[in-house]
Amino acid sequence: KNEVEQSPQNLTAQEGEFITINCSYSVGISALHWLQQHPGGGIVSLFMLSSGKKKHGRLIATINIQEKHSSLHITASHPRDSAVYICAVGSPYGGSQGNLIFGKGTKLSVKP
Amino acid sequence: GAVVSQHPSRVICKSGTSVKIECRSLDFQATTMFWYRQFPKQSLMLMATSNEGSKATYEQGVEKDKFLINHASLTLSTLTVTSAHPEDSSFYICSARAATGTSLDEQYFGPGTRLTVT
Repeated sequence: KNEVEQSPQNLTAQEGEFITINCSYSVGISALHWLQQHPGGGIVSLFMLSSGKKKHGRLIATINIQEKHSSLHITASHPRDSAVYICAVGSPYGGSQGNLIFGKGTKLSVKP
Repeated sequence: GAVVSQHPSRVICKSGTSVKIECRSLDFQATTMFWYRQFPKQSLMLMATSNEGSKATYEQGVEKDKFLINHASLTLSTLTVTSAHPEDSSFYICSARAATGTSLDEQYFGPGTRLTVT
């Protein structure tokens, strides 16, 4: 079993739909990252959070430390949101040098 | 937010030659930089962890003599792929960890470098 599990693996939505991507992890973490990777490959860091909820534009990320679960929500989705969304967790500070453990990603396709 | 740049963004080289990829933190000091490799349709895989002023720590299965890492300053780390072969063709991504002094694992990603070895 992977230490970081994402669901769904693939997601197709119609423009305007509300989207949720889930991430569950089994290790102790210091922070959880949500990353966006477009077809060209470049990675953009969307959120880094260790508790609660963060919002940026149409994107919302939440984390429940007790349940070891995080969700990424996209409101009013748009075709330009089409990308792979990756959840990654950071090991505790002073542990394995702080490298991240990555989920396999969720490929989102938003149709016009 | 913090910015990390990589250069070049794309490079094509002949088999047997060496290629250097630079990773720079533009507006913060990075005591630690990480180098990842991503093959098509795969997730990122950590290759090595680079700490400023000391030798890099390589993950199991990554040849340190083939992938030379230098982290000479708090804003620059380089990855040199030596004697590149077609199987080294991949997307190489760096991330930089800010020297914030907190326990939060703040990492910022570069845009990646696509290496094609012909």
